Amino acid sequence: DVKVTQSSRYLVKRTGEKVFLECVQDMDHENMFWYRQDPGLGLRLIYFSYDVKMKEKGDIPEGYSVSREKKERFSLILESASTNQTSMYLCASSFYYHTGDAGNEQFFGPGTRLTVL
Amino acid sequence: AQKVTQAQTEISVVEKEDVTLDCVYETRDTTYYLFWYKQPPSGELVFLIRRNSFDEQNEISGRYSWNFQKSTSSFNFTITASQVVDSAVYFCALSEASVRDDKIIFGKGTRLHILP
Repeated sequence: DVKVTQSSRYLVKRTGEKVFLECVQDMDHENMFWYRQDPGLGLRLIYFSYDVKMKEKGDIPEGYSVSREKKERFSLILESASTNQTSMYLCASSFYYHTGDAGNEQFFGPGTRLTVL
Repeated sequence: AQKVTQAQTEISVVEKEDVTLDCVYETRDTTYYLFWYKQPPSGELVFLIRRNSFDEQNEISGRYSWNFQKSTSSFNFTITASQVVDSAVYFCALSEASVRDDKIIFGKGTRLHILP
């Protein structure tokens, strides 16, 4: 079974703090994704990566950065946390089939509920 | 542009009733993929099904069934004889084959309450 783990289920930080959210997958997936989920807004893509050291902006990258130094690990960084970044953060990963069969299902971690005070 | 619409924000049904969750999508690609995910109260999204645009056969898995109709751009999900454990948020999603990065666009979800 694919396993995606996230470093914390719940996190409380103060405004202005630097926050690291870690995500690790154990299935050698090329693609990794960070989403935030807010009531009424569904899942919104923050950043994604399809290879080590590669990153692409999603729909709402402002205020966030990412790091992918190893294939299995994808970190989301809030350089200076703000109250409007209070949210549920979900990490996901998926295979990329090099035959060109895109659209592969993503596997999700349990989520990190971040509260910024 | 790709888009997924789940018009039902919240549905409540009594246990053992059948319930259908609607999903309508928009895409310009001829090859695309549709998904359903379940998010129980624990928070983790669970993958339920993936369909490609060339396979319009309906799918049944136990009490779950999916109806894919390209003519109406819909991919509806039916739970037969619902159970309390089916209570969750359900997301419909779309991925276009023309993009390398396998991005998935999610609908805003339908919160399903199964009442005992």
